Amino acid sequence: DTEVTQTPKHLVMGMTNKKSLKCEQHMGHRAMYWYKQKAKKPPELMFVYSYEKLSINESVPSRFSPECPNSSLLNLHLHALQPEDSALYLCASRGQTYEQYFGPGTRLTVT
Amino acid sequence: RKEVEQDPGPFNVPEGATVAFNCTYSNSASQSFFWYRQDCRKEPKLLMSVYSSGNEDGRFTAQLNRASQYISLLIRDSKLSDSATYLCVVNSPYSGGGADGLTFGKGTHLIIQP
Repeated sequence: DTEVTQTPKHLVMGMTNKKSLKCEQHMGHRAMYWYKQKAKKPPELMFVYSYEKLSINESVPSRFSPECPNSSLLNLHLHALQPEDSALYLCASRGQTYEQYFGPGTRLTVT
Repeated sequence: RKEVEQDPGPFNVPEGATVAFNCTYSNSASQSFFWYRQDCRKEPKLLMSVYSSGNEDGRFTAQLNRASQYISLLIRDSKLSDSATYLCVVNSPYSGGGADGLTFGKGTHLIIQP
């Protein structure tokens, strides 16, 4: 089973809202990732968690706050977002030969 | 960060044709290499890993030339369902160690025409 799940599938939020994106995998993978993807562009790395510790933060604004409660779960907390943050947010986990498996993504619209 | 470059296309080819994609990467420390496929408004899906010895999976053949830092994908007997964006993806260690990450090419858009 190479399934990564993400909730919600779609999210519309105002600029003053606080919301969270959730990601889960049960493949025993110890590295998990958040990516942002705009239309017609490749995914851009935001954060990397390795063994539940944040190891990479690609200069992401503080209005995005990641959290890794345990080895299977990854959250992305959102606060005071801007309309330009509207995008597809993808979670991935890394397999043993460095391949990554992506969840279906959360399509976020900030109004 | 170093780049991964690929022809953005689009490639418009008739059903049954053979299609070849090429990709170059600039980080010589890159460790692992992949082709992903992404359908419109969907997540990237792993198509195949790429090895120096070359590898084949059905109609798909991938090749890696580490000396030239060049990766290729060949699709034989193309089907309508092969229409998608094909992403060349390279895994490289981050400076400072402790983690690694994927660098994506911009993707090549393939349209198979009946």
